[in-house]
Amino acid sequence: QTVVTQEPPFSVSPGGTVTLTCGLTSGSVSTTHYPSWYQQTPGQLPRTLIYATNIRSSGVPDRFSGSILGNKAALTITGAQADDESDYYCALYMGSGIWMFGGGTKLTVL
Amino acid sequence: EVQLMESGGGLVQSGGSLRLSCVASGFTFTTYSINWVRQAPGKGLEWVSYVASTGATSYADSVKGRFTVSRDNAKTSLYLQMNGLRAEDTAVYYCVRDYHYYFDLWGRGTLVTVSS
Repeated sequence: QTVVTQEPPFSVSPGGTVTLTCGLTSGSVSTTHYPSWYQQTPGQLPRTLIYATNIRSSGVPDRFSGSILGNKAALTITGAQADDESDYYCALYMGSGIWMFGGGTKLTVL
Repeated sequence: EVQLMESGGGLVQSGGSLRLSCVASGFTFTTYSINWVRQAPGKGLEWVSYVASTGATSYADSVKGRFTVSRDNAKTSLYLQMNGLRAEDTAVYYCVRDYHYYFDLWGRGTLVTVSS
């Protein structure tokens, strides 16, 4: 059974750059999976950051960017800020109305 | 206001049933696909089911055969009938709008607790 993979807990220094990835245990992630990225802080609803691989959702700062790196989708935060400390989830569309989420990456900014 | 509002959660014994509802407002319900996404306490997001604007449905393997999703366009409502509930179904269940292959609108969620 295919699983969507994300990094274990990660940390980045304030002002630093971090890239989180989203892969598949079987096969490669491509634009046809329409990778999207969501940010969630405790007690809050998920917030859409990126959709369709690299389109920033309305109001999302341009320090967030999405791409395909090799066989994975990637979320890059350039110039990390303290309020970027959150859980980050990717979602992949597998076709026929089926979606899969990654397990999430907890990002610490310190 | 554009929103989704879930209801119907609660405490149920293992093996029991529950029906969740989601009422949409502020947008043209008939043109959107809607999903159920759940989040167990302290855990990540898990996609559960999908119903297209056409009424076509799909399910995660973990709930296939136990859960049934449906929609009533006249009532701008979505339903999730959950049978054979297990402890691992304990989660907050979110109703989530799907717009061009991403989740763009989330309800506040309703908590389902399955006691063993």
